[in-house]
Amino acid sequence: GQSLEQPSEVTAVEGAIVQINCTYQTSGFYGLSWYQQHDGGAPTFLSYNALDGLEETGRFSSFLSRSDSYGYLLLQELQMKDSASYFCAVLISSGSARQLTFGSGTQLTVLP
Amino acid sequence: DGGITQSPKYLFRKEGQNVTLSCEQNLNHDAMYWYRQDPGQGLRLIYYSQIVNDFQKGDIAEGYSVSREKKESFPLTVTSAQKNPTAFYLCASSMMSTATYEQYFGPGTRLTVT
Repeated sequence: GQSLEQPSEVTAVEGAIVQINCTYQTSGFYGLSWYQQHDGGAPTFLSYNALDGLEETGRFSSFLSRSDSYGYLLLQELQMKDSASYFCAVLISSGSARQLTFGSGTQLTVLP
Repeated sequence: DGGITQSPKYLFRKEGQNVTLSCEQNLNHDAMYWYRQDPGQGLRLIYYSQIVNDFQKGDIAEGYSVSREKKESFPLTVTSAQKNPTAFYLCASSMMSTATYEQYFGPGTRLTVT
């Protein structure tokens, strides 16, 4: 089976930087994704890492270390609208099929 | 506008009744997925389909059934055999050949069974 660990809650102030860590144990690992979900809403895609290293997209960056089974999402210049749940998800390869297994999510609260 | 629609947004049913949740996409995506989300939890995969007339069980398929008769549509039936059906149900779709395997989600259906 697969398991993912990420902190349940993180709090930070506007303008700060926050890092959300994710460790995973899985077979058939293909890559690591991050999704954002506001309360009651649909998850939206933030990033995907298939290879080791840092991927930057605007204020958000995502990092992967395959050897350590570890990744993180870095959010810079936090804004109030970044308050949401953030999910790491491992992409599993099974033959031609690709499926995501999600962590339990990290609730980020941004304070003024 | 392209996207995924789910209906209804809220659904109430009595125990013992089957209920079907609708999911339609006009993104021309081959793959479609159903997830279940419980309060404070992540998403758990129920079923997925990569091609019309074919689908595979996810991690929690018991008590659910699906069909994929058209590329655009992937309805989910919650049967009376599902012991705890009250949850938030999310449908998603993705392209099969993609660099990021990004999944696009619908707005969800919140099912309450009493």
